[in-house]
Amino acid sequence: EIVLTQSPGTLSLSPGERATLSCRASQSVSSSYLAWFQQKPGQTPRLLIYGTSSRATGIPDRFSGSGSGTDFTLTISRLEPEDFAVYYCQQYVGSSWTFGQGTKVEIK
Amino acid sequence: EVQLVQSGAEVKKPGESLKISCKGSGYSFTSFWIGWVRQMPGRGLEWMGIIYPGDSNVIYSPSFQGQVTISADKSISTAYLQWSSLKASDTAMYYCAKRTGVYGMDVWGQGTTVTVSS
Repeated sequence: EIVLTQSPGTLSLSPGERATLSCRASQSVSSSYLAWFQQKPGQTPRLLIYGTSSRATGIPDRFSGSGSGTDFTLTISRLEPEDFAVYYCQQYVGSSWTFGQGTKVEIK
Repeated sequence: EVQLVQSGAEVKKPGESLKISCKGSGYSFTSFWIGWVRQMPGRGLEWMGIIYPGDSNVIYSPSFQGQVTISADKSISTAYLQWSSLKASDTAMYYCAKRTGVYGMDVWGQGTTVTVSS
């Protein structure tokens, strides 16, 4: 089973700053099957990015994804107040899907 | 509109059985994988397993193999997650989600809270 490790665990930033979240896989992941989700307290996870770098419907362009192999990154170019949340990466290759443990982006 | 609607919150005692549901609408239910995800209180997302309703092919996460049963009734466009003997550690929010090919888990149910307490 592929293990995804996210870092940092918590990111303390101010609105307007840039956020860079990392997701490292224990073995190579096809870039076609790496996604990022946002989850706010009491809400269902929301798909942000699929296929490493494609934004899901309705996702603002301040969210971008990149990476390949075992290293993937979610970047939020300028944090808006509504972006403070927990972010999860996920790989969905074939019949085994796993999530990272999450990165909390909090207001500094 | 593509939707997954899950059954309501449950409160159970240890040792009891439970089956929760996830009903799909607005798309061809038999053509897309449905996954189940656990979120324990204050914790992250854990993939439990997936089912292809077209042929009821099920794949479990190794962590949940033998602990739960995933099934589907394509005649009513509904997937299920069930336990034969609940434990307090099964207390969590459970989500179903639809996988749309390379788009991944693009539609989620609203979640079902399961509380197991004596």
